[in-house]
Amino acid sequence: EVQLVESGGALVQTGGSLRLSCAASGFTFSSNWMSWVRQAPGRGLEWVADIKPDGSERYYVDSVEGRFSISRDNAKNSLSLQMNSLRAEDTAVYYCARGAGYYMFWGQGTPVTVSS
Amino acid sequence: EIVLTQSPGTLSLSPGERATLSCRASQSVSSTYLAWYQQKPGQAPRLLIYGASTRATGIPDRFSGSGSGTDFTLTISRLEPEDFAFYYCHQYGSSPRTFGQGTRVEI
Repeated sequence: EVQLVESGGALVQTGGSLRLSCAASGFTFSSNWMSWVRQAPGRGLEWVADIKPDGSERYYVDSVEGRFSISRDNAKNSLSLQMNSLRAEDTAVYYCARGAGYYMFWGQGTPVTVSS
Repeated sequence: EIVLTQSPGTLSLSPGERATLSCRASQSVSSTYLAWYQQKPGQAPRLLIYGASTRATGIPDRFSGSGSGTDFTLTISRLEPEDFAFYYCHQYGSSPRTFGQGTRVEI
């Protein structure tokens, strides 16, 4: 059974940093693109970033480019999102998802709140 | 960036009725790289349809997707009580990948 379990969400001050993690199991992690998708409170879904299976290519939505960094550890079946210079508009539930096209598998999400 | 506009914003229907949800793209979606998701409060999205018309594994056949280019439709032939939820379209043919703002299907 495919499982994606996010962690690391928290309340953080504007300008602060946070690192999210996603533990993957039940599939060959090292063969799959992985993505982060977020959902602001009461809002729709927004793709944030994705990463190639070997980590050699990474893509970001413009609003987080230069502030967020996606990475992976294939030996540990783990995906991460380092978030720096956080803004109020980054407040959202962050989901880890398998793939970089349509998303068949999602984690349960981890909430991030950015407040002054 | 491809902007996806879903309509209506809210669809008020009764169990057993047919639901028709629309998703219109600001530019043509490459190779029908269009998906639909269902989301209930407090839950992660659930993939319903990909490739504009292919049902994901385990999705009942009352859900169907159609369309190409800039106009796509999700149809629920006969609403079941568990179908009342939010629905999002998603294009993954161009970067950045984008989602529609959602349609709420309510009783």
